[in-house]
Amino acid sequence: GQQVMQIPQYQHVQEGEDFTTYCNSSTTLSNIQWYKQRPGGHPVFLIQLVKSGEVKKQKRLTFQFGEAKKNSSLHITATQTTDVGTYFCADLGGFGNEKLTFGTGTRLTIIP
Amino acid sequence: DGGITQSPKYLFRKEGQNVTLSCEQNLNHDAMYWYRQDPGQGLRLIYYSQIVNDFQKGDIAEGYSVSREKKESFPLTVTSAQKNPTAFYLCASRGGQGFNQPQHFGDGTRLSIL
Repeated sequence: GQQVMQIPQYQHVQEGEDFTTYCNSSTTLSNIQWYKQRPGGHPVFLIQLVKSGEVKKQKRLTFQFGEAKKNSSLHITATQTTDVGTYFCADLGGFGNEKLTFGTGTRLTIIP
Repeated sequence: DGGITQSPKYLFRKEGQNVTLSCEQNLNHDAMYWYRQDPGQGLRLIYYSQIVNDFQKGDIAEGYSVSREKKESFPLTVTSAQKNPTAFYLCASRGGQGFNQPQHFGDGTRLSIL
């Protein structure tokens, strides 16, 4: 079945530094959704990317979808302690596919 | 407030015992999902249901069963056939028109073996 890999698995950054997580697939991605899971919590939807080369921003967060739709990335500028958590990408699959295939996740910790 | 309620928050299972995890939503969503999350891992799909009285196996359905008798409810039974049930179980729902709507998650149930 489809596998969606994320790198790195863990990232420790000083508060104020930038952070990037990458989502890669060997097959073409359909729609990418990004979720954040705080420690001990549940995943919360952040954003969806649909088009090749799409870039979306939410304050300090920038989401990109690769031109070939085989990768996506999330970049956080000037991290804050509230950014702590695990970030997951998830591929919706083709039209009519109800299933989300989640990536392996990147756990971000912030050093104050 | 609208949302998804999972209960119990913590559950312990004895050898050979079946246990049922509850998931209730008042969001009027048609689609519901069950995921399993192991420590430091992503979410793996167990079962999903797009409509009442219908459900499909996900990627790791063996040892689990579900029912969808009501729109609001999608309980998951972890059977004795599931030999490694210790995990964090998350229920989610999806509403709106189109498959690209986001999923909304409950707070989860942590299941452990006694």
